[in-house]
Amino acid sequence: QKEVEQNSGPLSVPEGAIASLNCTYSDRGSQSFFWYRQYSGKSPELIMSIYSNGDKEDGRFTAQLNKASQYVSLLIRDSQPSDSATYLCAVSVSGNTPLVFGKGTRLSVIA
Amino acid sequence: DVKVTQSSRYLVKRTGEKVFLECVQDMDHENMFWYRQDPGLGLRLIYFSYDVKMKEKGDIPEGYSVSREKKERFSLILESASTNQTSMYLCASRVVTGGFTEAFFGQGTRLTVV
Repeated sequence: QKEVEQNSGPLSVPEGAIASLNCTYSDRGSQSFFWYRQYSGKSPELIMSIYSNGDKEDGRFTAQLNKASQYVSLLIRDSQPSDSATYLCAVSVSGNTPLVFGKGTRLSVIA
Repeated sequence: DVKVTQSSRYLVKRTGEKVFLECVQDMDHENMFWYRQDPGLGLRLIYFSYDVKMKEKGDIPEGYSVSREKKERFSLILESASTNQTSMYLCASRVVTGGFTEAFFGQGTRLTVV
């Protein structure tokens, strides 16, 4: 059974701080890694994808991947109250296999 | 922009009814998926499809079936709705070729079975 694990939270950070979200996965054959943001009552929206070891930056977001440790993380710099949401980590083995999702980490940014 | 459209945002159905949830994508994506999302359980895969007329069971297919007669449309069918199928249903599509394999979601259908 492929598993993706995340701390459920809530993770509370003050406005302007760095929020760090973590995810581990069980399938060593995983090749594609994604972070989705989901606001309450809405569907998930993709914010980052990463396919190779190292860091990938996009604006205030940085995804980090370490395949040896089976670990992927998301850093949100200068956190804003509008970043308050549930963040879902998703993993897939190949382009033709389904994404397996973690249960999500709820982030609360306090103004 | 990729657009994945689900036919209904909210649905209320009676126990025992046959329920159809429709999903259409406009980007010629090969793969389409149906998930349900429940508090504390996360997103769970019901069925997915690699291509037209192809379907594969996911983790929780019991009580559901699917249909994919055209590439852009993937339907989820609840054969006889039960109260434990009350949930948020999410359709997603995904391109396979080109090296980019992100999945994009529709807006979700919140189904209540009474």
